[in-house]
Amino acid sequence: AQSVTQLGSHVSVSEGALVLLRCNYSSSVPPYLFWYVQYPNQGLQLLLKYTSAATLVKGINGFEAEFKKSETSFHLTKPSAHMSDAAEYFCAARSHNQGGKLIFGQGTELSVKP
Amino acid sequence: SQTIHQWPATLVQPVGSPLSLECTVEGTSNPNLYWYRQAAGRGLQLLFYSVGIGQISSEVPQNLSASRPQDRQFILSSKKLLLSDSGFYLCAWSGRTSGDQTDTQYFGPGTRLTVL
Repeated sequence: AQSVTQLGSHVSVSEGALVLLRCNYSSSVPPYLFWYVQYPNQGLQLLLKYTSAATLVKGINGFEAEFKKSETSFHLTKPSAHMSDAAEYFCAARSHNQGGKLIFGQGTELSVKP
Repeated sequence: SQTIHQWPATLVQPVGSPLSLECTVEGTSNPNLYWYRQAAGRGLQLLFYSVGIGQISSEVPQNLSASRPQDRQFILSSKKLLLSDSGFYLCAWSGRTSGDQTDTQYFGPGTRLTVL
């Protein structure tokens, strides 16, 4: 069965430092992949998605993610963290077949220190 | 553009009381609709999804139920709430377009339910 693993339930970085949030998927065929951000007491907001058109995907708020088939990974990065980036981040995957459900990772809480 | 609404935003209910949470989507037709629950400190759990009016699939057996009386309306209900029903309830919609076959899900603002 397909699964999504986010390494590290909590990541802390200093303001201005690189943000790296890890996500690995397990499926025989590369799925569609998504990153969502959730601020406290809010819904999930789509950051970016991988659709097989390009392996490097740019999203909102300066985030980007690179799909690596050989590593079954879709890590999220941002060159310079802002205080406003502090939130929960979820990686998710969905198979290409119609009706495939969205499988979420457990989430990574990002803290940004001044 | 499409928007998704949920209400109420917050709700405090006693154990054993009924529940009705509503979700509506604007700006699209025949969306797929989803209910998720997010318990404190945990990930998202898919509760129900619907591909059309009156078509509901349940993912987790429990004392909750869902209905879709109209194309863009999705309701989550319970006859008797349990303490374990507390959590953050999220509604989402998705839909395929000619330019996007990913069936991306877009989430509403959520309802915070506290059962006492």
